[in-house]
Amino acid sequence: TQLLEQSPQFLSIQEGENLTVYCNSSSVFSSLQWYRQEPGEGPVLLVTVVTGGEVKKLKRLTFQFGDARKDSSLHITAAQPGDTGLYLCAGEGDYKLSFGAGTTVTVRA
Amino acid sequence: SQTIHQWPATLVQPVGSPLSLECTVEGTSNPNLYWYRQAAGRGLQLLFYSVGIGQISSEVPQNLSASRPQDRQFILSSKKLLLSDSGFYLCAWTTTGGAGANVLTFGAGSRLTVL
Repeated sequence: TQLLEQSPQFLSIQEGENLTVYCNSSSVFSSLQWYRQEPGEGPVLLVTVVTGGEVKKLKRLTFQFGDARKDSSLHITAAQPGDTGLYLCAGEGDYKLSFGAGTTVTVRA
Repeated sequence: SQTIHQWPATLVQPVGSPLSLECTVEGTSNPNLYWYRQAAGRGLQLLFYSVGIGQISSEVPQNLSASRPQDRQFILSSKKLLLSDSGFYLCAWTTTGGAGANVLTFGAGSRLTVL
């Protein structure tokens, strides 16, 4: 059973466009994390959000944690080809993190 | 500095053969260690985690086992591989990030193909 549902599964956009990836759950998490993964490599942490309603910005990336700490979104402004990758959200609870199925983002030049 | 090593990077094995994937971490003591499996281009499934030597928790029933013989060593094994064991295996450990959250640092992964 997937605790975290990510949408969309695939996203292909033109360079300069904006995109949003969603991560939803019926569970409450102590923290919600976003990772980015390149093919053939392990995921790398982008951001951690812990407070309901929290918004964090990382250059062109904006992360938001829902008020109830059950959902999150990742928004990329003016996407670039270097943003291409698999974006994974993960919720923390009881020593472990559970991952969503991921969103494959392709930014075309 | 803290690093995580995982090997082998690539493995092709026949059905029914044994498996051993190894993971070691450096620069920390008593880490929480994890084995995840990833289907092609998809999310990560937690297989095992360990909070200390000899302490293994299994998340899903399967053909695999894990062991932690030393504080910074985590091994994933199988006695007889199945075709369905093919995948990308990732070892990880947790560090404490912002506001006390536990964040994962992953190894480079081991690609297993069972033929």
